[in-house]
Amino acid sequence: SQQGEEDPQALSIQEGENATMNCSYKTSINNLQWYRQNSGRGLVHLILIRSNEREKHSGRLRVTLDTSKKSSSLLITASRAADTASYFCATERQAGTALIFGKGTTLSVSS
Amino acid sequence: DAGVIQSPRHEVTEMGQEVTLRCKPISGHNSLFWYRQTMMRGLELLIYFNNNVPIDDSGMPEDRFSAKMPNASFSTLKIQPSEPRDSAVYFCASSPKDREDQPQHFGDGTRLSIL
Repeated sequence: SQQGEEDPQALSIQEGENATMNCSYKTSINNLQWYRQNSGRGLVHLILIRSNEREKHSGRLRVTLDTSKKSSSLLITASRAADTASYFCATERQAGTALIFGKGTTLSVSS
Repeated sequence: DAGVIQSPRHEVTEMGQEVTLRCKPISGHNSLFWYRQTMMRGLELLIYFNNNVPIDDSGMPEDRFSAKMPNASFSTLKIQPSEPRDSAVYFCASSPKDREDQPQHFGDGTRLSIL
């Protein structure tokens, strides 16, 4: 069953704007991960945040995690056309086990 | 470094035929995962292996699906007989189990169409 639910389902912005995607999940987790999927390709790992972390940065990406609300957000700053893709959050309930994915947010960045 | 390699990239076959999907994980990774992606259900785990041993196959839809991992560098997912509702993109992913908080590395998937 799906654990993560992303919001919004689709997002359209202009280059240079920031994009924020949210994810909610249902059970306790070991970590939460964000992946990107370009059309016709596999998923690419973007960033991982552990359950005892609240915020993490990687380049133009910023992820927050609120375990009390069972939610996470992904912020992409200064977006580029190349950021156009689907973004998925995934939770790992225990170390080394399978990921449970949400249905994703489709991001379109126009130049 | 070579990533996860899946074959074929595309498969079109008629209902009732046997379908075999193949995956070569990243060398040194000892966890392997098979996922299925559809518009209706999103990405779902089918089965995963640790050190070539199946750990969780609760996502395998029914007896028509079977998966094997005969060695650390190869896995197959077989559907026999195939049905139109099996049409989806099937992904294989691998990760190193012996280190915590490791991401999974995905192949580019096999797009399967059952007519």
